[in-house]
Amino acid sequence: DGGITQSPKYLFRKEGQNVTLSCEQNLNHDAMYWYRQDPGQGLRLIYYSQIVNDFQKGDIAEGYSVSREKKESFPLTVTSAQKNPTAFYLCASRGGTGVSYEQYFGPGTRLTVT
Amino acid sequence: AQSVTQPDIHITVSEGASLELRCNYSYGATPYLFWYVQSPGQGLQLLLKYFSGDTLVQGIKGFEAEFKRSQSSFNLRKPSVHWSDAAEYFCAVPNFGNEKLTFGTGTRLTIIP
Repeated sequence: DGGITQSPKYLFRKEGQNVTLSCEQNLNHDAMYWYRQDPGQGLRLIYYSQIVNDFQKGDIAEGYSVSREKKESFPLTVTSAQKNPTAFYLCASRGGTGVSYEQYFGPGTRLTVT
Repeated sequence: AQSVTQPDIHITVSEGASLELRCNYSYGATPYLFWYVQSPGQGLQLLLKYFSGDTLVQGIKGFEAEFKRSQSSFNLRKPSVHWSDAAEYFCAVPNFGNEKLTFGTGTRLTIIP
């Protein structure tokens, strides 16, 4: 089945540690996205990539980093510089060019930092 | 930049009743608009999308939405809700030029028996 996988579903880390969230897609989509979701705030864009080896900052990139070495993979690292990392993180991908193409979402990773 | 507003944070309806969730957009030209649904602890699923043409759009799970330019709205409707419709619903608009989506803050739907 084609889709987006995120692992793990739940992740726990101690404050001060970096943590990497996995996102893999087998939809052959060029564009991939990372969002952060907090209660009552909707989805906020962290980073996005429209092509391999290229990515752009979204609205809340501080304290995060990404890489796009392969078309199907777009891992997100939450660094110790992120002041409030506990949140639900969603990965998405989009096929085709132009704004008419919808984004497909993975199941999400809930990160808890204590 | 384009934006959407969902004025209702939380709506409660009885099972079998009709539903309307509001979405207002801010954009001069005819926008592209999306409605997504998110079940608790899950990712988002596309319900329907509007690009042009017929202003009444049919989606999955029995949902529809109507684009009204005069009211800058794209409200989501369902004639009879089921308990499984309890979820959070997001309206979204793409930002032209960079193909990002901007989401509304969401409306949480509770269904009572």
